[in-house]
Amino acid sequence: QKEVEQDPGPLSVPEGAIVSLNCTYSNSAFQYFMWYRQYSRKGPELLMYTYSSGNKEDGRFTAQVDKSSKYISLFIRDSQPSDSATYLCAMTRLNSNSGYALNFGKGTSLLVTP
Amino acid sequence: DVKVTQSSRYLVKRTGEKVFLECVQDMDHENMFWYRQDPGLGLRLIYFSYDVKMKEKGDIPEGYSVSREKKERFSLILESASTNQTSMYLCASRSSQPQHFGDGTRLSIL
Repeated sequence: QKEVEQDPGPLSVPEGAIVSLNCTYSNSAFQYFMWYRQYSRKGPELLMYTYSSGNKEDGRFTAQVDKSSKYISLFIRDSQPSDSATYLCAMTRLNSNSGYALNFGKGTSLLVTP
Repeated sequence: DVKVTQSSRYLVKRTGEKVFLECVQDMDHENMFWYRQDPGLGLRLIYFSYDVKMKEKGDIPEGYSVSREKKERFSLILESASTNQTSMYLCASRSSQPQHFGDGTRLSIL
């Protein structure tokens, strides 16, 4: 079983829709959870970062973590064509200088149509 | 803002060549990482470094080596390039969480 599972899509929604992106994970040691957005031919750009269960909001974006279910979500409200990108979830075990790398989902491709 | 700069956006090399990919960060981060990203496989960790001259193997280190002589610079070396190393290579750095990425080098091996 992969440590992080993410539906690759593609997901196509009309402009203004609420988008829900999800990841599940198997390692209960994961403590830090991130969402990255990646436009074509660019590197991943950090969107949201959280280390606790519950919700974290930033503008149109809400990150949700449910550690008991090992499930994380990213919600995008009032989606815009500029939100069209691949969204990667990522998580890791420690917040230290030991160099622990991120475990990534494979990314969900999102297309927001005008 | 954190700036992670990869020296080349696109690179074309021939099989058997020794290839150097360079990455520089400007935030005095201790940790630096090299990933490759392939369709259907996602991001996979090649090597990381948690201090100058220190390195650790990631999930797929075969055919690669790294160098970290200065804190701000982390180099990925393909000792003898092969066609299966054609990929998008991403460098990242961090102090604590989270990681910040460069824009990647799209490497083609012919």
